[in-house]
Amino acid sequence: DTGVSQNPRHKITKRGQNVTFRCDPISEHNRLYWYRQTLGQGPEFLTYFQNEAQLEKSRLLSDRFSAERPKGSFSTLEIQRTEQGDSAMYLCASSFWTGEGEQYFGPGTRLTVT
Amino acid sequence: GQNIDQPTEMTATEGAIVQINCTYQTSGFNGLFWYQQHAGEAPTFLSYNVLDGLEEKGRFSSFLSRSKGYSYLLLKELQMKDSASYLCAVVRVTGGGNKLTFGTGTQLKVEL
Repeated sequence: DTGVSQNPRHKITKRGQNVTFRCDPISEHNRLYWYRQTLGQGPEFLTYFQNEAQLEKSRLLSDRFSAERPKGSFSTLEIQRTEQGDSAMYLCASSFWTGEGEQYFGPGTRLTVT
Repeated sequence: GQNIDQPTEMTATEGAIVQINCTYQTSGFNGLFWYQQHAGEAPTFLSYNVLDGLEEKGRFSSFLSRSKGYSYLLLKELQMKDSASYLCAVVRVTGGGNKLTFGTGTQLKVEL
């Protein structure tokens, strides 16, 4: 399967703990995006990378959130000192940098903070 | 700022046609996507419009009017498997990339 993959698929953690998610994009894609989606809402943009460079971060991304894409391939999203409000589906998407830039989404990581 | 509006829910009958509307207000507009999302799954690409007019792909068609800030997704010959959320997403050029801003989605229920 050459689609976008994310791990883990589900994560349950206690408030205050740190969590890290991984995204492996489609190998030929230069751009990688992170979104957060809560029930009944559309995905909300968090941040995106072109190769290893993080080009934009949403105001939704507080200081507790950090994302990296060290070699321009896979990416990690870390949330420190998790809060119950962080409970959501975290989606990763990737795209080519040219053309219409259709974004291909991974299956997501569902985070539950208790 | 940006504002994307689409109906929250729609119900239609198997075999029928349904039109899901999306209106938007944004700066730096560079196209509009429609995605389908089944419950608990990732969004999957349906269509992309950047110029005015109708794009047809099998049972699905999408229309865009840039001057009116309006798009619709047309689904023909509805099937039960079409029951899903349909997300309208506006593309803005920013920081050298294409940033998607999604609407809240339209939950479509197809009934017998």
